[in-house]
Amino acid sequence: GESVGLHLPTLSVQEGDNSIINCAYSNSASDYFIWYKQESGKGPQFIIDIRSNMDKRQGQRVTVLLNKTVKHLSLQIAATQPGDSAVYFCAEKPGGYQKVTFGTGTKLQVIP
Amino acid sequence: GAVVSQHPSWVICKSGTSVKIECRSLDFQATTMFWYRQFPKQSLMLMATSNEGSKATYEQGVEKDKFLINHASLTLSTLTVTSAHPEDSSFYICSAMPSREGRETQYFGPGTRLLVL
Repeated sequence: GESVGLHLPTLSVQEGDNSIINCAYSNSASDYFIWYKQESGKGPQFIIDIRSNMDKRQGQRVTVLLNKTVKHLSLQIAATQPGDSAVYFCAEKPGGYQKVTFGTGTKLQVIP
Repeated sequence: GAVVSQHPSWVICKSGTSVKIECRSLDFQATTMFWYRQFPKQSLMLMATSNEGSKATYEQGVEKDKFLINHASLTLSTLTVTSAHPEDSSFYICSAMPSREGRETQYFGPGTRLLVL
C-alpha cells in the first residue's frame, strides 16, 4: 500500500545508547524480512535480513527480532553512533514472490 | 561486491520532454531489477519489476506507456519517463537481484533525482 504520512516517526537517541526501531508488517504470507538504512539523498543500504523460520539474527552491532504471532519486527542497534543517523525501513517479502513491500520508515537521530 | 549504479544522479528537464534513467549492476548479473519512486519523507513505492528479455510487470496505478522499461541485458535496465510533467518530479531508485540461485536480497542504486519544470 502507499505510505500516506508526510512526517516520518522520529527516534532520538543519545550517542552510545542502544536504539530499537520497530516495524509492524501486514502480510501473514511474508517469509523474508529485511532492514534497510537510507541516508539523505541516497539509495537504501542493506543492513540485515531474517527468514520466518528464525526469531532472532545478529550482525555486527545490529540484531533483528521477529515475532510472527503479532507480525512485528524490530531492529536493535548497539552503541549507536552519529553515523547511524538515517531513515530505517523494514521490508517484507511473501514466499514465492520476488518483490518486497517497504514499511513507512523511522528516522533515527543520534544526539552527540 | 553487489554494487548498483544509476545514471544520471540528477536531472532537470522541461515539461513534455522524455528522460531516460539507467540502472546497472556492476559486479553481478541480475535477471530481475526493480524500479521504485520515492517522494519526500515517504517510503519507497514499487513501480515495476523488470525482467531481462521480457516485458516489465507494472504495479497497479503505474502507467506503462508513460514509464517505459527496457531490460536488454543482465546488467542494465532503463526507465524512460515519457512526456514528463511536474508531478513526475521525484526520486527514482532501482534495485537489482543477483541471478545466483538462493539469493533474495535486492541491492539498491544511489537514486536519480528528477525535477520537471
